[in-house]
Amino acid sequence: AIRMTQSPSSLSASTGDRVTITCRASQGISSYLAWYQQKPGKAPKLLIYAASTLQSGVPSRFSGSGSGTDFTLTISCLQSEDFATYYCQQYYSYPPYSFGQGTKLEIK
Amino acid sequence: QLQLQESGPGLVKPSETLSLTCTVSGGSISSSSYYWGWIRQPPGKGLEWIGSIYYSGSTYYNPSLKSRVTISVDTSKNQFSLKLSSVTAADTAVYYCARDDYGGFDIWGQGTMVTVSS
Repeated sequence: AIRMTQSPSSLSASTGDRVTITCRASQGISSYLAWYQQKPGKAPKLLIYAASTLQSGVPSRFSGSGSGTDFTLTISCLQSEDFATYYCQQYYSYPPYSFGQGTKLEIK
Repeated sequence: QLQLQESGPGLVKPSETLSLTCTVSGGSISSSSYYWGWIRQPPGKGLEWIGSIYYSGSTYYNPSLKSRVTISVDTSKNQFSLKLSSVTAADTAVYYCARDDYGGFDIWGQGTMVTVSS
């Protein structure tokens, strides 16, 4: 199974900041990567698929990049509603689909 | 607007079988474009994919759970279901159903908490 590792595990930032979350795959996954946002008590929400394609309705301050084994999620100007936990997920080699362990983005 | 809703018992005894159903509304489960999946999340932990099913009944499962998992579909009711046998406390989690767009889960149910306890 492909292992997905996110860094950092937690991150403190302020409204207006630019933040980057990294996801590394244990082997190459081309661009078969998705990013999700999850708020407490809620289901995850798909933000980005195919590593860099924004899901419909997702604000343009979110962006994704990378291919192969290294990927990033960038939020260009943090808004209050962006404080949440973020997960990456590979769908290149399955079963199983595999998720990263999550990155909790907190208010500084 | 497509919506998914999980239903089933919130409490299951150890060694018994967990059974959940996901009802799809606002669209057909028989769409040729999508699989339908189950994902779970233990309290305070990350996401784990359980398995997915196509409307034809074709399935694929997480190898770590495969021996205990059965996912089925009922197109007449626009539902798909999860059965997880021989449960232990480690199976306590929020269980989500979601539309599987060939890898990306783009629409999710709200989730249902299942506790394994005697």
